[in-house]
Amino acid sequence: QSALTQPAFVSGSPGQSITISCTGSSSDVGKYDFVSWFQQSPGNAPKLMIFEDNKRPSGISNRFSGSKSGNTASLTISGLQAEDEADYYCCSFAGDFSWVFGGGTKLTVL
Amino acid sequence: EVQLIESGGGLVQSGGSLRLSCAASGFIFSDYSMNWVRQAPGKGLEWISYIRDGGGPIHYADSVKGRFSISRDNAKNLLYLQLSSLRAEDTAVYYCVRDHIFAFDLWGQGTMVTVSS
Repeated sequence: QSALTQPAFVSGSPGQSITISCTGSSSDVGKYDFVSWFQQSPGNAPKLMIFEDNKRPSGISNRFSGSKSGNTASLTISGLQAEDEADYYCCSFAGDFSWVFGGGTKLTVL
Repeated sequence: EVQLIESGGGLVQSGGSLRLSCAASGFIFSDYSMNWVRQAPGKGLEWISYIRDGGGPIHYADSVKGRFSISRDNAKNLLYLQLSSLRAEDTAVYYCVRDHIFAFDLWGQGTMVTVSS
């Protein structure tokens, strides 16, 4: 399984919206409605932000939203805040009880 | 409190073995499938193994197949990962992760494995 493709870096100013893309294939992102997004701050474990392409776990701000079109999933963060600065990873179920992650995107809040 | 706590990491020589453990608490462990995910220093996340709630089926990433073995003891609320024939590229933080409808919804704090060559 090849890793999903994410931009290495994304930046935005407070209050703005940013979108992180995650490109896979017809064997993972395009085949299953099981794309997740994780936020990881330095020294901490990843935290689930989006599951099943566009659902938010309890307690996650509605500033975070997920979408998908074909083989590409996207995470949008609106009303950017300083606390959103972190690494973000997408992940897709890839069949046969296996998963594939993206390479990660470092979000900088300017 | 709902949590996962890993242990067993450390420094091991290339070719050596190690067993990682993950203690689950605050939820019905036997109701959930579990996974191990690792992260090499400064690198991204890599899924490496899955085990169903009842103990089977079991799956591995190609990078660890034949060298690592996942198991669980539902009576003790414990998840294990046996690491063998370790290589320098296995150096990473290993996370125990709960699976809920194909999403990793609960992560442990991780345990560091360092393989020296």
